[in-house]
Amino acid sequence: GENVEQHPSTLSVQEGDSAVIKCTYSDSASNYFPWYKQELGKRPQLIIDIRSNVGEKKDQRIAVTLNKTAKHFSLHITETQPEDSAVYFCARGHAGNMLTFGGGTRLMVKP
Amino acid sequence: DSGVTQTPKHLITATGQRVTLRCSPRSGDLSVYWYQQSLDQGLQFLIQYYNGEERAKGNILERFSAQQFPDLHSELNLSSLELGDSALYFCASSVEWGSNYGYTFGSGTRLTVV
Repeated sequence: GENVEQHPSTLSVQEGDSAVIKCTYSDSASNYFPWYKQELGKRPQLIIDIRSNVGEKKDQRIAVTLNKTAKHFSLHITETQPEDSAVYFCARGHAGNMLTFGGGTRLMVKP
Repeated sequence: DSGVTQTPKHLITATGQRVTLRCSPRSGDLSVYWYQQSLDQGLQFLIQYYNGEERAKGNILERFSAQQFPDLHSELNLSSLELGDSALYFCASSVEWGSNYGYTFGSGTRLTVV
């Protein structure tokens, strides 16, 4: 699949602040956009996903927004906590095609 | 426990050797994907199998090979190992060929080549 650009590569925020990670893609057939969180030395874990028929999805302190016209989607974490510190990967895909992952964002939440 | 089982968890071996990493997918998942993650790097896709057949290949070296068996478990074989092959190797599985439902990752095998 085509590449997914993920920005920023590193993000440092103060505890309690919000964090936003953005991904852009070019394959207009993409209709599934998951986000994975990987803590140090552990496996990537799905934290939230969105399909192209909705523009936003929320789950407690995390939310994902999708702009299909502009071909970008973002992860928003509010009221960040030290345990949110991890590497976050976005991905995109569609049925019959593999997921393509972004390069990852290292989020550091300073207490 | 994600339901995807990888063994061994850790492996230390010498350059030039050959190792086999094993992955059992989540029950009901037919697709298996292998990824390599070097220190502070992203997820590098190696190869995908679906129901026993190779479906996609990424940046997999010729020294590496894989297969998926009738019981759907998969093995990744790494030969003529070099220091640069030291990495975390993840297996992931999904219910179908494509990406419509996301992947579930195993805990990984940490390979150290000395």
